[in-house]
Amino acid sequence: DAKTTQPNSMESNEEEPVHLPCNHSTISGTDYIHWYRQLPSQGPEYVIHGLTSNVNNRMASLAIAEDRKSSTLILHRATLRDAAVYYCIQGGANNLFFGTGTRLTVIP
Amino acid sequence: GAVVSQHPSRVICKSGTSVKIECRSLDFQATTMFWYRQFPKKSLMLMATSNEGSKATYEQGVEKDKFLINHASLTLSTLTVTSAHPEDSSFYICSASYPRQGSYEQYFGPGTRLTVT
Repeated sequence: DAKTTQPNSMESNEEEPVHLPCNHSTISGTDYIHWYRQLPSQGPEYVIHGLTSNVNNRMASLAIAEDRKSSTLILHRATLRDAAVYYCIQGGANNLFFGTGTRLTVIP
Repeated sequence: GAVVSQHPSRVICKSGTSVKIECRSLDFQATTMFWYRQFPKKSLMLMATSNEGSKATYEQGVEKDKFLINHASLTLSTLTVTSAHPEDSSFYICSASYPRQGSYEQYFGPGTRLTVT
């Protein structure tokens, strides 16, 4: 079952940074934090994952709170192609249980 | 990046018939594949985990005799919806774990939209 909580929707202006929050207060010591995004009528796309330390890749950054009960996905410069539903998932590599996610709208 | 394909992308079938959906990992071997279902404006729901050469593990509430899963090779898993009913109409999505040690990425297919009339 999904264990994370995220805002239902967020808006961002194009070319501005976006911070998408996620609460995972029941996370265990071995659970990873995964982020995926889904465009309409497509399968989800991997964005980033982390365990304890902050992570960066070409798509985004992941900032993880010290107590690991929350995290923030950071898109450094939102584009129209970043408009999607973003899912934050806690767990192992397998058996991803998706919550309702955050629908990100990017305003041109 | 790793590519996962699904076939067909859309299918319409009559109530009572069976439909097979294929999921292929195109450029890597996937020992584990997953099947999800997504209803309109809802999130993905994990249906089952499919391991190559063994029986699939179904999530609670998913009927294994209705949703038959076969993972006969390292690049192909199939989901057969048997005796389909209109309530089985949904978006079915598969994914595969990338077989690199320490990798936690799953690669998803583009989905198959099933409509049962």
